[in-house]
Amino acid sequence: DAGITQSPRHKVTETGTPVTLRCHQTENHRYMYWYRQDPGHGLRLIHYSYGVKDTDKGEVSDGYSVSRSKTEDFLLTLESATSSQTSVYFCATQTSGASYSYEQYFGPGTRLTVT
Amino acid sequence: AQRVTQPEKLLSVFKGAPVELKCNYSYSGSPELFWYVQYSRQRLQLLLRHISRESIKGFTADLNKGETSFHLKKPFAQEEDSAMYYCALPIQGAQKLVFGQGTRLTINP
Repeated sequence: DAGITQSPRHKVTETGTPVTLRCHQTENHRYMYWYRQDPGHGLRLIHYSYGVKDTDKGEVSDGYSVSRSKTEDFLLTLESATSSQTSVYFCATQTSGASYSYEQYFGPGTRLTVT
Repeated sequence: AQRVTQPEKLLSVFKGAPVELKCNYSYSGSPELFWYVQYSRQRLQLLLRHISRESIKGFTADLNKGETSFHLKKPFAQEEDSAMYYCALPIQGAQKLVFGQGTRLTINP
């Protein structure tokens, strides 16, 4: 597996509390992504980063924010968790360059339950 | 808008039977398409990409521009093929992918 880790791996939290998920990579990949995986919806992009301090929204960004202060770390924050944010969250990375572009490497996932 | 559709959420076939996972896309140019796979308790990983025209684990996928499809096929399914499969399409002008809804494939013994 590519050197991508996520923490925590499992979390149960209450509605209204803030939650931060961490993605850490040792591959020095330029691009990083946060997805959520839900039955019937597949993988949907929340936010992504194309460099340190450079981020942009994905298709389901409402209620989420991200930060990338170092190449290796990409944080996803739920400012005030809601039950609709119960999901499995995946981080992914992608190297830059024309060859093998778009091949993404995924972390193990974080299962988040909001009660 | 670029979109990927996998019409089957669930697909169940018997071991040794042929399997085809459907993927349709909407894109006006020449697409570069991918199949990703997630085996039980493993990470999502790239299975194959159309541009390299390769066969991985016996799977192939042919791009049909007329039908805007990129179906994944294997002539003889194995039990270890049971997994979640996602078709993916790059977003034009951006280093990101759009994924289909996924198909859970179950191979029965």
